[in-house]
Amino acid sequence: AQKVTQAQTEISVVEKEDVTLDCVYETRDTTYYLFWYKQPPSGELVFLIRRNSFDEQNEISGRYSWNFQKSTSSFNFTITASQVVDSAVYFCALAPTSGTYKYIFGTGTRLKVLA
Amino acid sequence: KAGVTQTPRYLIKTRGQQVTLSCSPISGHRSVSWYQQTPGQGLQFLFEYFSETQRNKGNFPGRFSGRQFSNSRSEMNVSTLELGDSALYLCASRLVLAGSYEQYFGPGTRLTVT
Repeated sequence: AQKVTQAQTEISVVEKEDVTLDCVYETRDTTYYLFWYKQPPSGELVFLIRRNSFDEQNEISGRYSWNFQKSTSSFNFTITASQVVDSAVYFCALAPTSGTYKYIFGTGTRLKVLA
Repeated sequence: KAGVTQTPRYLIKTRGQQVTLSCSPISGHRSVSWYQQTPGQGLQFLFEYFSETQRNKGNFPGRFSGRQFSNSRSEMNVSTLELGDSALYLCASRLVLAGSYEQYFGPGTRLTVT
C-alpha cells in the first residue's frame, strides 16, 4: 500500500528562523515521484517541487531546499530564514510513474510564521 | 498563461440535490484530475480524465461522476447530496508529455451541503 506521513500537524516559528517539514512515504513501486505543494489560505495548491525516485540529489531554490533520502523513505523540506508569507499548509505527495496518475497526499503540516 | 480555473468558487446546496462543478485546465493540458479535501479525510483522489476518457477512479460512491469535453474542460457531478459531501473540490491539470509529471491545481470550489 502507498502512504505518505507528515507527522508534524502544526509548526510555529518566529520570522527568520529556519524550519524543516518532514515527509515519510511508503510504496512498493521501484520508481515513483514525490512532490511538495503549498496551500495558502486562498485554497489553491501551489506546486513547489517534483523529485524522481532515481534522483537523490538535493535541491535548493532560493530559501527552499529539499532533502530526499531513499534509504529512509524521506523527502524533507526546509525553509531558510522563514517569512510571514511562508505561512500556509504544506503537503507532501507520492505518485507512481506509470499506470494510475493518482497522488497520495500526506495530511499536511500547517506552518505559522510569526512576525 | 492562465492557470486552472474552477467555477463556481462557492456553492450552497441542500441534501438530496445534485451539483455540477466545472474546471478549465491550463491551455495545452489534456489531463484533468479531481480531488476532494475535507478536514477529516484530507485530500482524496476522485478521478482522472484524459482525452475525454476516465482513466482512474478513486474510492468514492457512484454518486460522484465526471466527464471531459473535447477541449479538455471537465465537469464533475454529485447527485443526491449528503452532508458529508461538504468539502473543497480541487481540480488539477497536467501536461501529458514525457518529463512533465506535476499537476497544477485550481482554486477549488467550496461546496456546503445543508
